[in-house]
Amino acid sequence: GAVVSQHPSWVICKSGTSVKIECRSLDFQATTMFWYRQFPKQSLMLMATSNEGSKATYEQGVEKDKFLINHASLTLSTLTVTSAHPEDSSFYICSARDHQDTIYFGEGSWLTVV
Amino acid sequence: GNSVTQMEGPVTLSEEAFLTINCTYTATGYPSLFWYVQYPGEGLQLLLKATKADDKGSNKGFEATYRKETTSFHLEKGSVQVSDSAVYFCALSSGGQNFVFGPGTRLSVLP
Repeated sequence: GAVVSQHPSWVICKSGTSVKIECRSLDFQATTMFWYRQFPKQSLMLMATSNEGSKATYEQGVEKDKFLINHASLTLSTLTVTSAHPEDSSFYICSARDHQDTIYFGEGSWLTVV
Repeated sequence: GNSVTQMEGPVTLSEEAFLTINCTYTATGYPSLFWYVQYPGEGLQLLLKATKADDKGSNKGFEATYRKETTSFHLEKGSVQVSDSAVYFCALSSGGQNFVFGPGTRLSVLP
């Protein structure tokens, strides 16, 4: 089946630095990718929708200057958390939609800001 | 707007018990319906899906039938195992819009 890969799976960074998370669709082209954030024991919160070749659409309350999203190709989207702070520590998950409207999720990335 | 409602957990069952997790939805048009599973410490995995009314999705012993008349997509399994312990998310996608997820239902299966 379709596979979406996220990297890194775990990352620890110092407060004030930036960290980039990659999301790749390995065996299909994804014109649309999504970025979610999940707090402990809660559901997924959609952060933004990323369309290849255009600017991402951010959900209300998500700072676009803090969470930079780039979708440079049909198989790669990146999320960069800029000037990270401890409250940005979370589980970030990406997903990609195939031509049959099925969403496949990445494995998720644990970010810890110290 | 579109929405998904799931039964609140946690659900605790003994091994080999019958499982039902209720899911109902509100959507315009004809959505596709999905169940995703999240095992501890992992990302979401597609469990099964149905794209039109009366379709039955099935995988790993789990089943769900797309019921348009009751706007439901209940997840069932005849005999759960300890390894089924996870969080289950019902979701819909409609007309090219982004996904809408339910809040998730945590299942714990005891040996």
